[in-house]
Amino acid sequence: AQSVTQLGSHVSVSEGALVLLRCNYSSSVPPYLFWYVQYPNQGLQLLLKYTTGATLVKGINGFEAEFKKSETSFHLTKPSAHMSDAAEYFCAVSESNFGNEKLTFGTGTRLTIIP
Amino acid sequence: NAGVMQNPRHLVRRRGQEARLRCSPMKGHSHVYWYRQLPEEGLKFMVYLQKENIIDESGMPKERFSAEFPKEGPSILRIQQVVRGDSAAYFCASSRSTTIVETQYFGPGTRLLVL
Repeated sequence: AQSVTQLGSHVSVSEGALVLLRCNYSSSVPPYLFWYVQYPNQGLQLLLKYTTGATLVKGINGFEAEFKKSETSFHLTKPSAHMSDAAEYFCAVSESNFGNEKLTFGTGTRLTIIP
Repeated sequence: NAGVMQNPRHLVRRRGQEARLRCSPMKGHSHVYWYRQLPEEGLKFMVYLQKENIIDESGMPKERFSAEFPKEGPSILRIQQVVRGDSAAYFCASSRSTTIVETQYFGPGTRLLVL
């Protein structure tokens, strides 16, 4: 069975500072990994995803994440935080099971940006 | 190209009533997933459907919950005899196919409140 752990349910960073949101996963097969962002009272928007190939994945809004198999991690980073980055971020995993791509989500990290 | 549509956006029901949640996938998408988000938690997979078929309902409560995705029209998540514990945000996501890893696109959600 697959699972996702997001360390830190709340993270606060100053505007312009580095953003680091942590995600560790557990999967019995090579995983597909995703980061989604959720703004208040809205649905989820895909930030980036890792399937195969290059382990450093670039996404929208300046975010990127690196797949580290040895550490079973897929941490999300952004070099310089912007006020508009304040939202809830979810890491998710989908096992390589063609025919059913259901996602298993972490519990989320709420990112606050300090002016 | 309209995104995933869900209606209603907000639904209030009294205990014992029925709740019907609708999801219209993106144009060209024939795969629908339903997820439930309880307060302060991540999303939990409920059911995966293709047109006229339930593929995986391993996340659905055994009683009172049902889902369908008819040949014509939206996917419906139906909750009979609602209880307070059903209060949550219900999201559907759609994807185009599962022969490759396809991104799931999420709707804005239906927020169900059971009084």
